[in-house]
Amino acid sequence: SYELTQPPSVSVSPGQTARITCSGDALPKQYAYWYQQKPGQAPVLVIYKDSERPSGIPERFSGSSSGTTVTLTISGVQAEDEADYYCQSADSSGTFYVFGTGTKVTVL
Amino acid sequence: EVQLVESGGGLVKPGGSLRLSCAASGFTFSNAWMSWVRQAPGKGLEWVGRIKSKTDGGTTDYAAPVKGRFTISRDDSKNTLYLQMNSLKTEDTAVYYCTTPQEIYGDQVPFGYWGQGTLVTVSS
Repeated sequence: SYELTQPPSVSVSPGQTARITCSGDALPKQYAYWYQQKPGQAPVLVIYKDSERPSGIPERFSGSSSGTTVTLTISGVQAEDEADYYCQSADSSGTFYVFGTGTKVTVL
Repeated sequence: EVQLVESGGGLVKPGGSLRLSCAASGFTFSNAWMSWVRQAPGKGLEWVGRIKSKTDGGTTDYAAPVKGRFTISRDDSKNTLYLQMNSLKTEDTAVYYCTTPQEIYGDQVPFGYWGQGTLVTVSS
């Protein structure tokens, strides 16, 4: 079955930049979405269609795509950004959805 | 305001069955594609399956681990989504979320809105 691979963890100091990658063979054909999840809460969309930011999401969140890898960048990380982050996309047919393995962002 | 409220979770023995419900409001439910997503304790998100709107065929698709055991259905007259879970295994233990797409400037985001989730525990 199709998989999206993320690093298990990323650690960053406040004010620095965190980059989270997500790799999958179908990413050149299918859009990626990014979700932030804090403990005990449902996920929240932070990036859609690879690089678009929903209203209400701070400008420090951005997304990019290159080949089979998409990247979520958090510039000027704040303590409140500490959370789990998941990429999400679909297989090459667009029929089956898949979530990435998840990345825990720790703010030092 | 879009609201999704799951119910029906609880403790069930391996091999047993359980039906989850998701009451939807704040949008035109009959036009929406609906999905279930689950999250095992301390683990990541896993897509369970999806049902399309009746106007788009009303068909269902499932992730491999649940195909043949889980069934998604909908009652548009009640604005309610269901997940029938049969032959449950310990590895099905998870919080189950009901989700629906969000339209943002004409784009459909597959998992734009989420319920609060309901916990299913499969244990003897």
